[in-house]
Amino acid sequence: QKEVEQDPGPLSVPEGAIVSLNCTYSNSAFQYFMWYRQYSRKGPELLMYTYSSGNKEDGRFTAQVDKSSKYISLFIRDSQPSDSATYLCAMHGGATNKLIFGTGTLLAVQP
Amino acid sequence: DAEITQSPRHKITETGRQVTLACHQTWNHNNMFWYRQDLGHGLRLIHYSYGVQDTNKGEVSDGYSVSRSNTEDLPLTLESAASSQTSVYFCASSESSDEAFFGQGTRLTVV
Repeated sequence: QKEVEQDPGPLSVPEGAIVSLNCTYSNSAFQYFMWYRQYSRKGPELLMYTYSSGNKEDGRFTAQVDKSSKYISLFIRDSQPSDSATYLCAMHGGATNKLIFGTGTLLAVQP
Repeated sequence: DAEITQSPRHKITETGRQVTLACHQTWNHNNMFWYRQDLGHGLRLIHYSYGVQDTNKGEVSDGYSVSRSNTEDLPLTLESAASSQTSVYFCASSESSDEAFFGQGTRLTVV
C-alpha cells in the first residue's frame, strides 16, 4: 500500500465550477500537508500549506485536513482555465522533512 | 533572487553510460532532494541530504548515487544508465519544515 493515495483523474470541468481534489494517507506521523501545482513541463510550485488538522483559505483555494480520517482535500472555487494543471498532494512528518507525494491529479478547466 | 537550477534540461544517453545531473541552489538551504516523475507514479524520492557530507536513500535509490560536498550542490549520478531510468528528474531544496522549492526538471532519455 502506498503511503499517499491520490485519484489520478484526469478531471475535466467547465469554467466556474467548484473542484474537489483529495488524498488519503496511511502514516499517522504526517503533520505537514501541502498542495503543489505543476504546469506542463515545469517544476511543482507550492499552492497551499497546512499544519495539522483544520482548514486554510487563500482566495479561491481552500485546503482541509482531517487527521482522524487521514484525509486531505483541496477545493477550488470559480475555477478558471488558468487553473488547468496537475495538482499534487504532499506531506511529511516534520522531523525528517522528507516530502512524500501523491501521484497527482490532472485538471482541465474548459472555457 | 535566490533560485534552484538544474542542468542539463534535456539529456539523451546510451545504456551503460554514467550520467550526472546537476542541481544548484542559492537559497542556502540545508535540505536537498532528488525525485523522479513518471506517469502513474507521481514524484518518487531517490536520494536526499540534510547537510554537507550527509546523504540518505529514498524509496527508489537503486542505480543512483549522490554526494554533498557543499551547501549549494547535490549532483545525481546514474552509475550505469538503464532504459528504466528514462524519466523526468526534479531537484528540490527546503529549510526545516518550510516549503520545498523545485527546479525546472531534467528530461533524461536512455536509449
